[in-house]
Amino acid sequence: NAGVTQTPKFQVLKTGQSMTLQCAQDMNHNSMYWYRQDPGMGLRLIYYSASEGTTDKGEVPNGYNVSRLNKREFSLRLESAAPSQTSVYFCASSERLQLTDTQYFGPGTRLTVL
Amino acid sequence: EDKVVQSPLSLVVHEGDTVTLNCSYEVTNFRSLLWYKQEKKAPTFLFMLTSSGIEKKSGRLSSILDKKELFSILNITATQTGDSAIYLCAVKNTGNQFYFGTGTSLTVIP
Repeated sequence: NAGVTQTPKFQVLKTGQSMTLQCAQDMNHNSMYWYRQDPGMGLRLIYYSASEGTTDKGEVPNGYNVSRLNKREFSLRLESAAPSQTSVYFCASSERLQLTDTQYFGPGTRLTVL
Repeated sequence: EDKVVQSPLSLVVHEGDTVTLNCSYEVTNFRSLLWYKQEKKAPTFLFMLTSSGIEKKSGRLSSILDKKELFSILNITATQTGDSAIYLCAVKNTGNQFYFGTGTSLTVIP
């Protein structure tokens, strides 16, 4: 049981390049999330998917697209990377259960855009 | 606008001290409040609170929620260097969306 996995762990891009961050969970959770974390800014929601087949914008969606490929996988795409997108990206998943309501986080992807 | 505000932003204490971290929120359709600990990697879950006045306790850590005044506190007694981390507060709404505060950075000096 790996929980939430993310690839890659580190990535360096040049301005204008594109890339996709991959996320998968094996806990059969319905909801999945993408956050970015910047110093002094906490975790900010980029996009989330409440259930398979649905996606919604979060607080900072500009410059990103997402795909909920199936129940397990939720990918985040940067079409044309900008230096402002340098950040640590976390994927998370959650399930609304009677006794626990938490999110489980992946290990993060540290992205640098030059 | 939904928001979660944590204070203080940072804190430096000596081992053995007791600390109190604060979290206030304005989130419509509140479902639960969660505390996480983050040490140079992904956040890890500490507590989930849904009801006012009921203290959750785990070892030296405890937390309580006041839904009338819209805040929560996280207490850590007899702090240790291993408690040094960023502590994040998050509020979940009924739509399964989470709102995070900016975190409190705690440093415990030996």
